[in-house]
Amino acid sequence: NAGVMQNPRHLVRRRGQEARLRCSPMKGHSHVYWYRQLPEEGLKFMVYLQKENIIDESGMPKERFSAEFPKEGPSILRIQQVVRGDSAAYFCASSPVDRSEAFFGQGTRLTVV
Amino acid sequence: AQSVTQPDIHITVSEGASLELRCNYSYGATPYLFWYVQSPGQGLQLLLKYFSGDTLVQGIKGFEAEFKRSQSSFNLRKPSVHWSDAAEYFCAFSGGGADGLTFGKGTHLIIQP
Repeated sequence: NAGVMQNPRHLVRRRGQEARLRCSPMKGHSHVYWYRQLPEEGLKFMVYLQKENIIDESGMPKERFSAEFPKEGPSILRIQQVVRGDSAAYFCASSPVDRSEAFFGQGTRLTVV
Repeated sequence: AQSVTQPDIHITVSEGASLELRCNYSYGATPYLFWYVQSPGQGLQLLLKYFSGDTLVQGIKGFEAEFKRSQSSFNLRKPSVHWSDAAEYFCAFSGGGADGLTFGKGTHLIIQP
């Protein structure tokens, strides 16, 4: 059973471009979470999704950020018009139906130049 | 406000010595508590979790943690550390299972030979 798969592992974008981060949850998991980790910081919760539904987006910035988890395919975290401050590691986690544990991917490290 | 405090940013321990990493939380009810470990450039791996029941929890890699409600603490311990334990350790909590975890800023563990 493959773990949570994130791609790309590293992403470089120029200021003003769009960044798309993908996350495939573990097989059988229907809950997906996105977190952001800034240097020397812990992870900050961004958004919690189930298939085709956003359950909790209390940690998402109000502008430029969006997330989806379609019926088919991976979950996508989209950052429009990136700025230097968006440079961070973005982690995806998934959990089974009972939400007893979150399994984390290896992250996507976004660098905005 | 809900928060997790890991008072020690860095800890240095000699190989074979015992280890205790501190974690305190602020939450209005009994939280779900977790300890994760992160190696450089990697995702997070769950060491152990506490939901209810026995307040002394055993985890992987020889780690254990004790939930003390009166002190709002969930300290991580290991009787004898190995060089491979060098990593970043994060304490986290939630109000419900794996949803929307709140993380501490982490403790960087250094192992001296």
